[in-house]
Amino acid sequence: EPEVTQTPSHQVTQMGQEVILRCVPISNHLYFYWYRQILGQKVEFLVSFYNNEISEKSEIFDDQFSVERPDGSNFTLKIRSTKLEDSAMYFCASRATGYQPQHFGDGTRLSIL
Amino acid sequence: EDQVTQSPEALRLQEGESSSLNCSYTVSGLRGLFWYRQDPGKGPEFLFTLYSAGEEKEKERLKATLTKKESFLHITAPKPEDSATYLCAVQGYGGATNKLIFGTGTLLAVQP
Repeated sequence: EPEVTQTPSHQVTQMGQEVILRCVPISNHLYFYWYRQILGQKVEFLVSFYNNEISEKSEIFDDQFSVERPDGSNFTLKIRSTKLEDSAMYFCASRATGYQPQHFGDGTRLSIL
Repeated sequence: EDQVTQSPEALRLQEGESSSLNCSYTVSGLRGLFWYRQDPGKGPEFLFTLYSAGEEKEKERLKATLTKKESFLHITAPKPEDSATYLCAVQGYGGATNKLIFGTGTLLAVQP
């Protein structure tokens, strides 16, 4: 069964450093998402991406965050200057069309020191 | 503002002991309500989508139902492998895309 793949599974970074989280969505999907889950809290929406542009973003997704689909298969989330509060699990999700559900990857655990 | 509240926060059952999980929601026009299962260290795994009040979906020991204000996930004769966190999420018609608004989940432990 097709699945969303995320790398790395765990990323440890010093505060202030840039980090790129990578995702390979399911191949025929058109809509792409990033969510995050701080330990013990809800899964929160960050951003959605369709047709090579951001469709919607949350208040969390400030100027330090950016997303890109550099080729036909990868979808990345970049945090330019990481803060301690960016420590969380980051999930990538993709969706086909219409009313199809979002399918999630297993996440990247980001730890900021 | 769209909101999802799940109860109970945690539930411990004996194998074979049926029960229900609750998801109450407030949304400006429901496009869909979704149930996911999340195992420790993993991403949410899709279970069901419900679109309108009165709808029901079933999969093995799980059955999801929907009213205008809440959804229930019924677990019949659970087994230890059903132990996981069950997440409820809604999509509303507000916003440009089908973002999901999640509840905090119910942590289910099924003991043999």
